Amino acid sequence: NAGVTQTPKFRILKIGQSMTLQCTQDMNHNYMYWYRQDPGMGLKLIYYSVGAGITDKGEVPNGYNVSRSTTEDFPLRLELAAPSQTSVYFCASSYSEVNTEAFFGQGTRLTVV
Amino acid sequence: AQSVAQPEDQVNVAEGNPLTVKCTYSVSGNPYLFWYVQYPNRGLQFLLKYITGDNLVKGSYGFEAEFNKSQTSFHLKKPSALVSDSALYFCAVRPYSGGYQKVTFGTGTKLQVIP
Repeated sequence: NAGVTQTPKFRILKIGQSMTLQCTQDMNHNYMYWYRQDPGMGLKLIYYSVGAGITDKGEVPNGYNVSRSTTEDFPLRLELAAPSQTSVYFCASSYSEVNTEAFFGQGTRLTVV
Repeated sequence: AQSVAQPEDQVNVAEGNPLTVKCTYSVSGNPYLFWYVQYPNRGLQFLLKYITGDNLVKGSYGFEAEFNKSQTSFHLKKPSALVSDSALYFCAVRPYSGGYQKVTFGTGTKLQVIP
């Protein structure tokens, strides 16, 4: 019963490097989300997807890109990493957009130095 | 714009005492409201939600929350706190309407249950 799986759990990047955070869910959820969590700031939505092939920007999309080629996978791409992208990243999914709770992955702690 | 306020960064309570974690919200129209819990180095876990109906909502691990429309509040409560309840708690809101609607999270309240 895996739920939402994120990899890697930890990563240190140098300024200007790129990486992809992987997210997979096995619940056949249509809706998937990427959040970042900064201390004292709650969660901010980066991107979301309402189904395979459909993505849209959230509150803080700059510096990130996503794709959704399958229902299961929703990778987040960081291009030209910056110190401001140091954060904990969470992927989540939900069955629908209406009154259903989200299921979260365990998070990826990213440090950009 | 919708918003969630969790006015206390930290709540300390003795084990066995009742606990309350406060949440107020602002949203156009009626709200969907959620509480999530986050244990250290883990993702958020769903606790309970308010959609419509009874203002007192019961959830996981003995938690409950009371929806108060006039005060735009959705406080989380538990009659008797356990040390294992120590965690970070997030309130969240989205509008009660169809189609995709953004969920807004509060900044979180750290609950510390003292043995």
